[in-house]
Amino acid sequence: GAGVSQSPSNKVTEKGKDVELRCDPISGHTALYWYRQSLGQGLEFLIYFQGNSAPDKSGLPSDRFSAERTGGSVSTLTIQRTQQEDSAVYLCASSPSPGQDYYNEQFFGPGTRLTVL
Amino acid sequence: KQEVTQIPAALSVPEGENLVLNCSFTDSAIYNLQWFRQDPGKGLTSLLLIQSSQREQTSGRLNASLDKSSGRSTLYIAASQPGDSATYLCAVSDSGNTPLVFGKGTRLSVIA
Repeated sequence: GAGVSQSPSNKVTEKGKDVELRCDPISGHTALYWYRQSLGQGLEFLIYFQGNSAPDKSGLPSDRFSAERTGGSVSTLTIQRTQQEDSAVYLCASSPSPGQDYYNEQFFGPGTRLTVL
Repeated sequence: KQEVTQIPAALSVPEGENLVLNCSFTDSAIYNLQWFRQDPGKGLTSLLLIQSSQREQTSGRLNASLDKSSGRSTLYIAASQPGDSATYLCAVSDSGNTPLVFGKGTRLSVIA
């Protein structure tokens, strides 16, 4: 079956512009995570969705960052007034519903490389 | 706050060698531990997941062990090949449906 997909694969923008990054999780996966991977910083958590709700937004670095999920499927991460320090690879992961044989294994998409000039 | 450390940061070995990558975590109350592989410019590929109640998992030439009480995991790669060259990441989750906490990875180069 199809894995996690993300679009665009690359995004170059000018400082101060808004950007939207999209994630399509594996069909049927109720949990969705956004992470950011910066040079020298490793992978850091941004936000977690269970269905359309976001019980954990603790990783969002500022109020310029927001995310939503609709229909328990597609999620969009929006960065307003982008800054150069927002340049990173943004990764999305999904995980199945709790239940039999549930281990919270997370499956990752290919990422969106964001460059802010 | 959970912290994950991976040693070494980089490793270069000749083809055919067996090797061990190390991962340690500060809070032993984990739910599971995952090992991932990341090729340059690509996303993460899940290699092995070890539940907190398990001691090890095997897949092909890969074997991952978990010693929860001491906060350690190792990834053993047998008979390394140039195609194994990648960055290997270790990550833990503290409970079901919680974010993963990642180490910074070990960059492996296998020389033909």
